[in-house]
Amino acid sequence: SAVISQKPSRDICQRGTSLTIQCQVDSQVTMMFWYRQQPGQSLTLIATANQGSEATYESGFVIDKFPISRPNLTFSTLTVSNMSPEDSSIYLCSQRSFGTDTQYFGPGTRLTVL
Amino acid sequence: QQQVKQSPQSLIVQKGGIPIINCAYENTAFDYFPWYQQFPGKGPALLIAIRPDVSEKKEGRFTISFNKSAKQFSLHIMDSQPGDSATYFCAGAPLNQAGTALIFGKGTTLSVSS
Repeated sequence: SAVISQKPSRDICQRGTSLTIQCQVDSQVTMMFWYRQQPGQSLTLIATANQGSEATYESGFVIDKFPISRPNLTFSTLTVSNMSPEDSSIYLCSQRSFGTDTQYFGPGTRLTVL
Repeated sequence: QQQVKQSPQSLIVQKGGIPIINCAYENTAFDYFPWYQQFPGKGPALLIAIRPDVSEKKEGRFTISFNKSAKQFSLHIMDSQPGDSATYFCAGAPLNQAGTALIFGKGTTLSVSS
C-alpha cells in the first residue's frame, strides 16, 4: 500500500493569510488529487495535479484561490490563499496509480481560520 | 461532479447487529465502487471494493452487494462491533483511468453500541 504524508497536520490561521500544505508520497505516481472535507461532510475533489502541467480544477474551485504545484512525481503542494473562516476544513492529499484500483489518502491537514 | 447518493446519514446498531448502508450512482461510466472507512482525525482508508462484473463481494465481516441494472450498491457489516464505529463513504470512478479521481457519497456515521 502507498504511504502518504502531509505537513502540517493542523494549523490555525488568521483571516486574509495563506497556508501551503505539503504532500509527499512514497512512490512515483502520475496523478495526485486534493480533496476538501468540511466539518462533518464528505470529501469534495478540489483538483487533479499532473506532474509537469497545470492542475485541473473542479467546478467551484479556482487556481487563484487554491494554487497547486507538482514539481515531481512524489510531491505536491496546495496553497489556500486569502483565507476566510469558510476555508476551515480538512484538506486531504490522495493518489491513484494506473493499473491498480486503490486510491490512497494522506492523514489530512486540519485548517482552522479565525 | 457526478453524484453518488448515500443513505442513511447516520445509523445506530447494537453489537452483533448488521448495519446496511446504501448507495446509488448516476454515471454509467463508473465501473469501480469502493467503500472507505474513516475514524476521527484520520484519512479515509479503503475497506472493500467491487467491480460490476460480480453481484457480491465478501471480505471478512464486510460484504458489498451490487445491482448494476438499478445502479445501486450496498455495504453490509456482519456481527458489528464497537470498533466498527466510524464514518463510511461509498465512492465511484471509472476503472483504470488513473487520471480520474473517486467521487464520494456524503457518508454514513455508524455507531455500534455495546
